[in-house]
Amino acid sequence: GAVVSQHPSRVICKSGTSVKIECRSLDFQATTMFWYRQFPKKSLMLMATSNEGSKATYEQGVEKDKFLINHASLTLSTLTVTSAHPEDSSFYICSARQGGPYEQYFGPGTRLTVT
Amino acid sequence: AQKITQTQPGMFVQEKEAVTLDCTYDTSDPSYGLFWYKQPSSGEMIFLIYQGSYDQQNATEGRYSLNFQKARKSANLVISASQLGDSAMYFCAMTLNRDDKIIFGKGTRLHILP
Repeated sequence: GAVVSQHPSRVICKSGTSVKIECRSLDFQATTMFWYRQFPKKSLMLMATSNEGSKATYEQGVEKDKFLINHASLTLSTLTVTSAHPEDSSFYICSARQGGPYEQYFGPGTRLTVT
Repeated sequence: AQKITQTQPGMFVQEKEAVTLDCTYDTSDPSYGLFWYKQPSSGEMIFLIYQGSYDQQNATEGRYSLNFQKARKSANLVISASQLGDSAMYFCAMTLNRDDKIIFGKGTRLHILP
């Protein structure tokens, strides 16, 4: 089956710094990728839709200047958390769509801790 | 806007028994898809089963089946012969075919007891 990777799997950073998380589709091309955020024991909340070659579409309430998304190629989308604060600590998961609406594959997630 | 509701925050089930996890949804779009995902403690999202809104038959995948009742807007997951490894968080989710975004319910934590 299709594989989506995320890097890093865990990251700890200091408050005020920026952190970049990569999402890669390893064996297929993905024109669309999605970024989710999950707080402990909570559901996944869609943050934004990442479109290759164009600007990301953010969900209501998500700060686009804080969560920068770049989808520079058909296999890579990056999420940069700028000027991170402890409240940004969370589990970030990406997904990539391969074909039909049910063909979405999730990455293993990145746990971000901001100290 | 679409919405997914899972009313069972947690369930305890004896091993080998069948389990039904409840899910209701709300959308005015006629074309949509319904998913169930399993999330073990490691965090990865594992796809279990998919049901399209126009599918005539209920989806089945091994021990998983989706009880799709369109008029009631219900998409319950049935796990037959539960196993200890089924202990995890289970999410019901929906996508509208026009935009591919997947919206998740709050999840049900399933505990299988030996």
